[in-house]
Amino acid sequence: SQELEQSPQSLIVQEGKNLTINCTSSKTLYGLYWYKQKYGEGLIFLMMLQKGGEEKSHEKITAKLDEKKQQSSLHITASQPSHAGIYLCSWWWGAQKLVFGQGTRLTINP
Amino acid sequence: KAGVTQTPRYLIKTRGQQVTLSCSPISGHRSVSWYQQTPGQGLQFLFEYFSETQRNKGNFPGRFSGRQFSNSRSEMNVSTLELGDSALYLCASSAIAGGYNEQFFGPGTRLTVL
Repeated sequence: SQELEQSPQSLIVQEGKNLTINCTSSKTLYGLYWYKQKYGEGLIFLMMLQKGGEEKSHEKITAKLDEKKQQSSLHITASQPSHAGIYLCSWWWGAQKLVFGQGTRLTINP
Repeated sequence: KAGVTQTPRYLIKTRGQQVTLSCSPISGHRSVSWYQQTPGQGLQFLFEYFSETQRNKGNFPGRFSGRQFSNSRSEMNVSTLELGDSALYLCASSAIAGGYNEQFFGPGTRLTVL
């Protein structure tokens, strides 16, 4: 079973629309990383959440950690073509093992 | 500050061969982790090195091995390549090992096994 489950697996939205990606953990989440990946390239760090209820924003991307629900959500406002890519959540499963969700592929249609 | 670099960026090998991939971490970073990314399995942890010692290993067969040098550069080796080893191999560096530290990822090495 997947330690971190992301939904949806893929998302196609019209440019300018808002969207939300969810990441649900199979156990208590003490923190979470969100990364973005362009196809076939390395990961770009977006943000890290470390406390339940913490919310962070970077440009038009906002992420929140709901510790009780064992879930994090990433919300993009007024999507742009530059937001297209694969979004991955991850966190430490054990001291040195970083576990990833399966990713959400985001396509922005002009 | 230069980012994490990986060489080569692309590699084509045939089954049964072996391959060595290289990763140079960000200057001053002592921890290097390796990940395999495939369409079917997603991103999976291979192993982590810190100060030339392997600290943790994922669930991969012994054909996958690695090492870290005194300058923190790391190499990953895969022997007796199989078709299923075709993947994007990513390395990441961080200042210290584990413990909720941000990892900085390289661009990856795309390995194709024919």
